[in-house]
Amino acid sequence: QSALTQPPSASGSPGQSVTISCTGTSSDVGGYKYVSWYQQHPGKAPKLMIYEVNKRPSGVPDRFSGSKSDNTASLTVSGLQAEDEADYYCSSYAGSNNLRVFGGGTKLTVL
Amino acid sequence: QVQLQESGPGLVKPSETLSLTCSVSDYSLSSGDHWAWIRQVPGKGLEWIGSVLHSGNTYYSLSLKSRISISLDTSKKQFSLNLRSMTAADTAVYYCAKELPPVGTAMISWGQGTLVTVSS
Repeated sequence: QSALTQPPSASGSPGQSVTISCTGTSSDVGGYKYVSWYQQHPGKAPKLMIYEVNKRPSGVPDRFSGSKSDNTASLTVSGLQAEDEADYYCSSYAGSNNLRVFGGGTKLTVL
Repeated sequence: QVQLQESGPGLVKPSETLSLTCSVSDYSLSSGDHWAWIRQVPGKGLEWIGSVLHSGNTYYSLSLKSRISISLDTSKKQFSLNLRSMTAADTAVYYCAKELPPVGTAMISWGQGTLVTVSS
């Protein structure tokens, strides 16, 4: 069982927006600004899409955005495109004793 | 753009120790660097294994802490993972990654991953 809770699946049509949630506790998501999101296509390594809740690495489209409220972080993908279909994982800093935890992943389907 | 490449055995026998190395290229290591190992059981989610700082300080997953060690060799531009007492549950794709500072923030660059199967 993963430390962070994500819905197993999400879907949307091209051009629509979809939001994926990531729920933790005050010891991880709620306690720090270090929430990150990763995109993983089948057979590929994960790719960092969002870090520090809402920052985008260079090269990540601004269609991807992140936010956080209390113990729940969210990833929003706007203007869905076919290539956005992938698994998405959230992660959070969890303190100096157990540095990082992941969510179980959400499979995003573009209909 | 930093390049990371994992290397090591693809098959390990139960109870043996897994040794993996991550080679870093196209990048000059600096004092602010942090490096991590992550694994993924086929069809399952990501699991952070541990991290090593440029100073050599390490952080380990609580669930694996008793079985793992991670080290950094700056002269070779490599960092390594040793995982002892392997079982079938350790069968996974193992990734190495470069972290954004401070440690625990996010993994900005990833290796392609290497599948390790535990079987006699």
